[in-house]
This record gives sequence, structure tokens and C-alpha cells, in this order.
Amino acid sequence: DQQVKQNSPSLSVQEGRISILNCDYTNSMFDYFLWYKKYPAEGPTFLISISSIKDKNEDGRFTVFLNKSAKHLSLHIVPSQPGDSAVYFCAASVSGNTPLVFGKGTRLSVIA
Amino acid sequence: NAGVTQTPKFRILKIGQSMTLQCTQDMNHNYMYWYRQDPGMGLKLIYYSVGAGITDKGEVPNGYNVSRSTTEDFPLRLELAAPSQTSVYFCASSYYFIRDSNSPLHFGNGTRLTVT
Repeated sequence: DQQVKQNSPSLSVQEGRISILNCDYTNSMFDYFLWYKKYPAEGPTFLISISSIKDKNEDGRFTVFLNKSAKHLSLHIVPSQPGDSAVYFCAASVSGNTPLVFGKGTRLSVIA
Repeated sequence: NAGVTQTPKFRILKIGQSMTLQCTQDMNHNYMYWYRQDPGMGLKLIYYSVGAGITDKGEVPNGYNVSRSTTEDFPLRLELAAPSQTSVYFCASSYYFIRDSNSPLHFGNGTRLTVT
């Protein structure tokens, strides 16, 4: 029973355009969400997070949007760069007091 | 600062063999975790620890054991390796579970284990 779902296994975007990665969750107790980025042969690295008291958080080219009523969040990357090509994992936690639950990941390919 | 260090990077085991995956962190983090990642799947939590001497099961603990005798080290033990344990194993650490963006999980680079 997947509590965090990333339904798109892969996404291909042209350099300079916007990348939108989506994530849905089923557990209404989740109130803290994070995105991690993973390159091959490396561990995931933290990218950006959002708590349920906000509906948007921005950090440079990366913005995460949270729609609590739809139990949906998305990561926007603008503009996309070839170095953004990686697997992106969505993760969630309850009150920041429980271990992270991860989605299956979306592989982003940014084409020059 | 080395962060989270995992050894070995790769290992091939025969069915029924045992081994210990090593994990050490130098960030003085209280919380440590073991995740596994199967192909096309997300990271699933095996075990975690909130401090020395304290461990707890995650989502997929069967076939594994852990110990936490020091803050720095959190080894993962496979007693009787099975093909279903073929995976990439990631160790991670944090100050707290996840309180804010200043305390995300820090991951090691993984151990790729094949059981044949």
C-alpha cells in the first residue's frame, strides 16, 4: 500500500523549459514533505521541503507547491538544465517526527 | 567532513551467507536509518535508531538485524542471505527525524548487494 505515489516513472524536458514533477499521497497525517535528488551511484541529496502550513516554497530555480485538499504536491524546475537530469524522490513525514516515506521516484532527463 | 560513509560499495553473496554492511557518520547525528532501494522502487525503511542503544523496525525489517553501540556507527547485519535481499542499501543520518529544512536526511553513497 503506497502512501506516497509518483505515477510518472520518467519525464523528458528540453533545456530551458519548465520541468514539473508530481507526487500524490494518501496518508492525511503527513504534514511535512521533501524532495530528494539522486544521481547514479550516489545517495539521494536533499533538494527542497515544505510544511503543510504553506502552499508554496521557493529556492532558486526550484519551487514546491502543496495542495492539501487534493493531497498533491509538485516540484517545478525553471529553467531546466542538463545537470538537473537525475531521479527525483518525493518523501513525506508526520509532524517531522516519523521516518520519511518515499515515493518510487521520477527520472528526469533534460535534453540540451 | 566525510558525512555518511558506507562500506563496502559492492558485494556479491551466495545464498545463506552472512555479512555486515557498515555505516558511520561524523556529523554527531542522533538519528540513523537503513533504507533499501529495489529497481524501479522507492526507498523502503529497514531499521532506524534514535540514539545509541535504541533501535526500531521500519517497513521491511525481516532478514536483517542492527545494533547501535555508538552515536557514529549503525551496522546492518544479514544473517542468511536470500536472493530477495539483492538491492542497493542506503544508510542515512539526521539530527532529528525531520523538523525543518535545516535537518534533512544525509545519505551515504550506498552498498550494492547481489545475492546469487
